[in-house]
Amino acid sequence: EVQLVESGGGLVQPGGSLRLSCAASGFTFSSSTMSWVRQAPGKGLEWVSYISSSSRTIYYADSVKGRFTISRDNAKDSLYLQMNSLTAEDTAVYFCARERVPFNYFDYWGQGALVTVSS
Amino acid sequence: IQMTQSPSSLSASVGDRVTITCRTSQTINSYLNWFQQKPGKAPKLLICAASSLQSGVPSRFSGSGSGTDFTLTINSLQPEDFATYYCQQSYSFPRTFGQGTNLEIK
Repeated sequence: EVQLVESGGGLVQPGGSLRLSCAASGFTFSSSTMSWVRQAPGKGLEWVSYISSSSRTIYYADSVKGRFTISRDNAKDSLYLQMNSLTAEDTAVYFCARERVPFNYFDYWGQGALVTVSS
Repeated sequence: IQMTQSPSSLSASVGDRVTITCRTSQTINSYLNWFQQKPGKAPKLLICAASSLQSGVPSRFSGSGSGTDFTLTINSLQPEDFATYYCQQSYSFPRTFGQGTNLEIK
């Protein structure tokens, strides 16, 4: 059974940092491309970042570029999102999702991790 | 790529047929996916590649379209179908989602 489990969410002050993790199981993580998607309270879905299976290709949304860093450890079947210089606009539930080729659809999602940026 | 999803909200009754549309600002071939989301839950993939029904999704859900205009149709609405629906393009980066359609019980 495919499972994605996020952790590391919590309350952080503006300007602070947080690192999210996503533990994968039930599939060959090292062959899978992954993304982070977030959802602010009461709002729609916003794609945040993408990483290829080998980490060779990475993309970011303009809203997080220069502040967030996506990474993965294929030996640990884990995906990460390092978030720096956080602002209130980054408050959201963050989901990790597997992206499947050839049509690049998100077929499995984690349950989400809530990040609250507030003083 | 900008996504224009309509309507933003929709009231319908059990047994009704509803249609949600999604228009993209440039052609994306068939790189269009549909998700269902219920409160407090992760999105669930319903349809990928514009018209391919995901395994386990009831056949009352269907998708159509290509290029820039796409449609999600739900035939004979069931109580569990009342949720928010999103379209999403996977043709290029940044990946983008429609604004969502909140399907409510009339």
